[in-house]
Amino acid sequence: KAGVTQTPRYLIKTRGQQVTLSCSPISGHRSVSWYQQTPGQGLQFLFEYFSETQRNKGNFPGRFSGRQFSNSRSEMNVSTLELGDSALYLCASSLLPNTDTQYFGPGTRLTVL
Amino acid sequence: DQQVKQNSPSLSVQEGRISILNCDYTNSMFDYFLWYKKYPAEGPTFLISISSIKDKNEDGRFTVFLNKSAKHLSLHIVPSQPGDSAVYFCAASLDFSSGSARQLTFGSGTQLTVLP
Repeated sequence: KAGVTQTPRYLIKTRGQQVTLSCSPISGHRSVSWYQQTPGQGLQFLFEYFSETQRNKGNFPGRFSGRQFSNSRSEMNVSTLELGDSALYLCASSLLPNTDTQYFGPGTRLTVL
Repeated sequence: DQQVKQNSPSLSVQEGRISILNCDYTNSMFDYFLWYKKYPAEGPTFLISISSIKDKNEDGRFTVFLNKSAKHLSLHIVPSQPGDSAVYFCAASLDFSSGSARQLTFGSGTQLTVLP
């Protein structure tokens, strides 16, 4: 069974631009969560989607948004990029929202110049 | 304010010896705890978990201990192998309410290096 896939793997943008990251969950998984990983900060929860609905949101500004499609694929968008948005963005999928074990993709490394 | 803390950013252990990774948490409402392992250029991989109703869970070379009164958990790897070298994250899960999603709160990670 294929794992969680994320595209693109690497991305370089400049301040003020916007970016869209994509995540395809494991087949059959319906819950998708997004995390931001920066050096020294661990993984910080961005949001979770289930059945095309955002069920939970972390403490991030409104520039960070996402959506989920009917096939459970998810996209994350960051508008008006700032230097501090440079990070590894990880997507994780699970069967259902209340399933504790999440399976992570390899991440998208975003660099903002 | 970090609710899940891993105070040791790095740990070096000799091959064959025990590795002990520690994690502290502040929120007493956390009821499920997990350890993930992460290699460079890969996403975290689930390793082992423990429910707050237990104080120990074992899976092969990996054992997680939970001390609820001290709000502390630890991961023991015995014997340690060079392939165990990775960043280890502990995570805690909080069930907000019925019908609501769980959310994982991660620590900042500990880089384990197992020396041959």
